[in-house]
Amino acid sequence: ETGVTQSPTHLIKTRGQQVTLRCSSQSGHNTVSWYQQALGQGPQFIFQYYREEENGRGNFPPRFSGLQFPNYSSELNVNALELDDSALYLCASSLEGTYGYTFGSGTRLTVV
Amino acid sequence: GDSVTQMEGPVTLSEEAFLTINCTYTATGYPSLFWYVQYPGEGLQLLLKATKADDKGSNKGFEATYRKETTSFHLEKGSVQVSDSAVYFCALSARSRSSGGSYIPTFGRGTSLIVHP
Repeated sequence: ETGVTQSPTHLIKTRGQQVTLRCSSQSGHNTVSWYQQALGQGPQFIFQYYREEENGRGNFPPRFSGLQFPNYSSELNVNALELDDSALYLCASSLEGTYGYTFGSGTRLTVV
Repeated sequence: GDSVTQMEGPVTLSEEAFLTINCTYTATGYPSLFWYVQYPGEGLQLLLKATKADDKGSNKGFEATYRKETTSFHLEKGSVQVSDSAVYFCALSARSRSSGGSYIPTFGRGTSLIVHP
């Protein structure tokens, strides 16, 4: 069984630009969630998708948006990038969120 | 809202020492509890879980017991190895009314463990 894969692994963007991060969920998992992890901090929940619909959102502004596709893969889009958006972005998949999450290795985003 | 509090690190131990990392939580309802481990440059890996009170999760010599009366889920290992050096995250997953009853995860800030030979 394949795990969660994220792309790209590293990314450098300029303030004000837009970025799209991608995630392929583990086979059989229908729920995908996204997290922002600043250096030395725990993951902060951004939002979660279940069967292509957003079903939970953390304390992040609307410029953070996402999609889930019929094959349960997902995208995270961030508009109008700010310097504070620099972080490791983690994607995780689960079966309806009840039994723990399988995480990808993350995308390291640097905004300059 | 839900929250998870972990002891601050780093925790520094010698090889074969006993490990305890404290974790307490606040949640409405009956959350599932988890410990995740993160090695440098990697994502989080699920270490163990417990889904109801008095359950004990265990894996790779690590254990944690779901204590509803003290709202705790402390991580223990009897004899640590250098390879256990990593950051450990306590987390809960609970139904959220604001999200239509979906399970939403909450993570602690993480505790760094450093094991010396």
